[in-house]
Amino acid sequence: AQSVAQPEDQVNVAEGNPLTVKCTYSVSGNPYLFWYVQYPNRGLQFLLKYITGDNLVKGSYGFEAEFNKSQTSFHLKKPSALVSDSALYFCAVRDNTGGFKTIFGAGTRLFVKA
Amino acid sequence: DGGITQSPKYLFRKEGQNVTLSCEQNLNHDAMYWYRQDPGQGLRLIYYSQIVNDFQKGDIAEGYSVSREKKESFPLTVTSAQKNPTAFYLCASNGDRRDEQFFGPGTRLTVL
Repeated sequence: AQSVAQPEDQVNVAEGNPLTVKCTYSVSGNPYLFWYVQYPNRGLQFLLKYITGDNLVKGSYGFEAEFNKSQTSFHLKKPSALVSDSALYFCAVRDNTGGFKTIFGAGTRLFVKA
Repeated sequence: DGGITQSPKYLFRKEGQNVTLSCEQNLNHDAMYWYRQDPGQGLRLIYYSQIVNDFQKGDIAEGYSVSREKKESFPLTVTSAQKNPTAFYLCASNGDRRDEQFFGPGTRLTVL
């Protein structure tokens, strides 16, 4: 069975500091991994994905994520946080063995303080 | 413009009534999904469909039903059997299995 864990309900960081939002996953095959962001009362917006290849993936708005197969992790990072990055972030996983089933984590609220 | 739409944005229902939430996409995507979002619980998968006339239960399908008669449409019915239906409902779609999902703006359902 697929599952995603986001161990932190909230992450607080000062503007200009680096940020990390953690994600670990479990799938039976190899994973397709995704990060999304949600602003209040809106749908989710895609940030980046890992399908295959280079373990470091770069995405929208300066975000990047590192795929670590041995630790089954896909942490989201940004070198310098902005106040406008404050939002709810979701990690998602899809098993690459054939289906479309996509499971999301519980979400991590990022708060960037000016 | 290509995209995915959900209607209505806000929906109120009395206990014991069924209600249907609309989801339409003009992206020519094969796969469509329904998720339920509750505070602190993230997005939980209700149903998904990989192709027309076929759909699979997600993790919390009890009390819900869907149909996929057209590629563009994937309506969700919240039945009176759903014990706690008040939530924010999100519809999504994607094409290839390697593709990210596109999300609609959501429908907030409140049971009175």
